[in-house]
Amino acid sequence: AQSVTQPDIHITVSEGASLELRCNYSYGATPYLFWYVQSPGQGLQLLLKYFSGDTLVQGIKGFEAEFKRSQSSFNLRKPSVHWSDAAEYFCAVGAIGGSQGNLIFGKGTKLSVKP
Amino acid sequence: ETGVTQTPRHLVMGMTNKKSLKCEQHLGHNAMYWYKQSAKKPLELMFVYNFKEQTENNSVPSRFSPECPNSSHLFLHLHTLQPEDSALYLCASSQESSESSYNEQFFGPGTRLTVL
Repeated sequence: AQSVTQPDIHITVSEGASLELRCNYSYGATPYLFWYVQSPGQGLQLLLKYFSGDTLVQGIKGFEAEFKRSQSSFNLRKPSVHWSDAAEYFCAVGAIGGSQGNLIFGKGTKLSVKP
Repeated sequence: ETGVTQTPRHLVMGMTNKKSLKCEQHLGHNAMYWYKQSAKKPLELMFVYNFKEQTENNSVPSRFSPECPNSSHLFLHLHTLQPEDSALYLCASSQESSESSYNEQFFGPGTRLTVL
């Protein structure tokens, strides 16, 4: 069965520091992979997605993620965190040929940013 | 209005009440979704409507009843809920086509539901 693991429930980084949020997925075939961000009181916003091609994908707000098939990972990175990046981040996986809208979400990682 | 809107933003109801959540998308999409977001649990897909036809319900209890009168509006009718149904209910929409299994889902801000 498909699954998504985000091992870090809560991460705190200093403003200006680099960030890496981990995501591991379990699925036998090539997955579709997504990162969403949720600010307090808001819905989810898509940061970036990977379907095929270049394994390093660029997203909005200066985020990027790298698909590593050998490690079943799709970690999210940002070189310099801003205070406005404080939010909850969700990794999600969908299967090629799977049911429409059937995304499997991780439990999320809450990011706090210290001044 | 732009994007996906949801009303009300907050709702408190008793277990015997009947209420409805409303979602409207202003993006011209043809698919809409209801998700449940509970504390410490992953986001759960509840219902999918594609071209106004329900295609997924993921074994949701019958006390949740969706309605999609047109491609822009989606309702979730609630009756005799339980306290464990308290959660954030998110609506999303997307433009689906036969060429791609996945297109970006655009989410509304959610309705925070508390069942007493």
